[in-house]
Amino acid sequence: EDQVTQSPEALRLQEGESSSLNCSYTVSGLRGLFWYRQDPGKGPEFLFTLYSAGEEKEKERLKATLTKKESFLHITAPKPEDSATYLCAVRSNTGNQFYFGTGTSLTVIP
Amino acid sequence: DAGITQSPRHKVTETGTPVTLRCHQTENHRYMYWYRQDPGHGLRLIHYSYGVKDTDKGEVSDGYSVSRSKTEDFLLTLESATSSQTSVYFCAISPLMGAYEQYFGPGTRLTVT
Repeated sequence: EDQVTQSPEALRLQEGESSSLNCSYTVSGLRGLFWYRQDPGKGPEFLFTLYSAGEEKEKERLKATLTKKESFLHITAPKPEDSATYLCAVRSNTGNQFYFGTGTSLTVIP
Repeated sequence: DAGITQSPRHKVTETGTPVTLRCHQTENHRYMYWYRQDPGHGLRLIHYSYGVKDTDKGEVSDGYSVSRSKTEDFLLTLESATSSQTSVYFCAISPLMGAYEQYFGPGTRLTVT
């Protein structure tokens, strides 16, 4: 069964303190792995798509990487405005569904 | 929100009443999806559409029906609302199925009392 697990559930960082969020997945053939940012009371906002192991994508202070079993979202020198819940999702080669993790709630303290 | 609107944004209804949520897009994307988001469960797919009048079930489709008579509109209906359907509902669109990313609407918070 396709499955996505994110860790940690919550993370508090001081401004400027770099860290990583983890997304572990089990799929019967990965078609794509997606990262989203969700602010309270809003819909998820698309960040990155990764297609194959070894691929990396960057956007401002965020960098997403992918292996055969997991993805990391690295946050370098975070700012308070990076505070949000970060969601990971996968799409397998079989079926027509995207499977989402429960997210990591990130708080960056000034 | 990538040209996606949802209506209503908030609704309180009583158990047993029918409820229809609307998703409208201006992107002319072929694929549209309905998700619900609950604490501890993440986003779960209810139904999706791959074209006008073409729909299919998702992971949690029981108690829900959908219709798509125009490219831009995707309706989600709760035939007889139950308290377990209290949730935040999100519509998403995608230009293509497969690996392509989805873009989400602002959500509808539904409370069934």
